[in-house]
Amino acid sequence: AQSVTQLGSHVSVSEGALVLLRCNYSSSVPPYLFWYVQYPNQGLQLLLKYTSAATLVKGINGFEAEFKKSETSFHLTKPSAHMSDAAEYFCAVSAANAGNNRKLIWGLGTSLAVNP
Amino acid sequence: EAQVTQNPRYLITVTGKKLTVTCSQNMNHEYMSWYRQDPGLGLRQIYYSMNVEVTDKGDVPEGYKVSRKEKRNFPLILESPSPNQTSLYFCASSPRAEGYGAFFGQGTRLTVV
Repeated sequence: AQSVTQLGSHVSVSEGALVLLRCNYSSSVPPYLFWYVQYPNQGLQLLLKYTSAATLVKGINGFEAEFKKSETSFHLTKPSAHMSDAAEYFCAVSAANAGNNRKLIWGLGTSLAVNP
Repeated sequence: EAQVTQNPRYLITVTGKKLTVTCSQNMNHEYMSWYRQDPGLGLRQIYYSMNVEVTDKGDVPEGYKVSRKEKRNFPLILESPSPNQTSLYFCASSPRAEGYGAFFGQGTRLTVV
């Protein structure tokens, strides 16, 4: 069975500060890991994904995430927050070896606020 | 432009009045699914389809129906909506199973009064 825990339902940072959104997963098989972003009144957009290649994954809008197997973590970071980064962020996991039956297991989301 | 299109974006309806939310994708994806998003509960999968004429229940299928007669379309049907189906609904598609990464529509905000 797989699960995802996002630590902190709300995170607030100042513009220009480091963004760190935490995601821990549980998986009995090698995982694929994802971060999605949801801007107000919009659908979810894929930010980045880990699929067992490089452990440091770079995504869109300057975000990146590092897969740490020993810590079962996949935290999302951005060196300098911008006002336009204010959104809801979702971490998700799927089983890498589940073939065509694999599905996404979602965290509950973290709302990021960016203060001027 | 590659996209998943849902209609309508907003809908207010009355209890018991059948409605359909349409979803169409132009990426020739095999896999499509429907989610509902509720505060504090996150995203929950309602139904999914692995190909034409192949559909299956997700985590919260009660009160919903789907069909997949064509590869591009995956409508969500509420035959007798109730207030507890008031929610934000998303359609998603992916080349194979969604565990490879999914593309989402813009969402349909449904209110049942």
